[in-house]
Amino acid sequence: EAQVTQNPRYLITVTGKKLTVTCSQNMNHEYMSWYRQDPGLGLRQIYYSMNVEVTDKGDVPEGYKVSRKEKRNFPLILESPSPNQTSLYFCASSLGVPGVANYGYTFGSGTRLTVV
Amino acid sequence: DQQVKQNSPSLSVQEGRISILNCDYTNSMFDYFLWYKKYPAEGPTFLISISSIKDKNEDGRFTVFLNKSAKHLSLHIVPSQPGDSAVYFCAPLIRGSARQLTFGSGTQLTVLP
Repeated sequence: EAQVTQNPRYLITVTGKKLTVTCSQNMNHEYMSWYRQDPGLGLRQIYYSMNVEVTDKGDVPEGYKVSRKEKRNFPLILESPSPNQTSLYFCASSLGVPGVANYGYTFGSGTRLTVV
Repeated sequence: DQQVKQNSPSLSVQEGRISILNCDYTNSMFDYFLWYKKYPAEGPTFLISISSIKDKNEDGRFTVFLNKSAKHLSLHIVPSQPGDSAVYFCAPLIRGSARQLTFGSGTQLTVLP
């Protein structure tokens, strides 16, 4: 089954304790992205990657890191989480840049992160 | 500064009736518009899109209308079904730009049986 898999689904952590949220896709998609969803703000892009070793900042990159060493994986790293990073996170992938040739995203099921 | 706004956080309609979800944007560079649907505990799923060279795109019960001069788009669902109850996001793009800007804040649609 074609899918984007995020882990964990739920995570509660303490301020300053490094964490990684994993994202993997099995569709050979080139384009991957991370979003956070907050009440009243919709989905905001954190980082995106157009291919292996090619990453760039989205709208709200502060406090986050990513890496794209393999095509299928795009982990999100919080080096020193803070309470304002409490949010619902989504990983997404697309065959190409969204909007080109009708490419849309395939989203993962989300990771609910709470930083206390 | 939100470049895309969905001013109705919620909408309730009766089964069988038309649902109309609205989206306004400010950036005139947007040239491609997508709608996503999201059920609880799931990620958003791509629903329908429209290019700025069109003013209407239809896919089954779903039709998206684009009014470029007003910087407004709307999603029509006819007839509405209880399974359509979800949050709907509009997501404008600049085609070919890898940087996806903010989605709208979403509209919770509830279709009453």
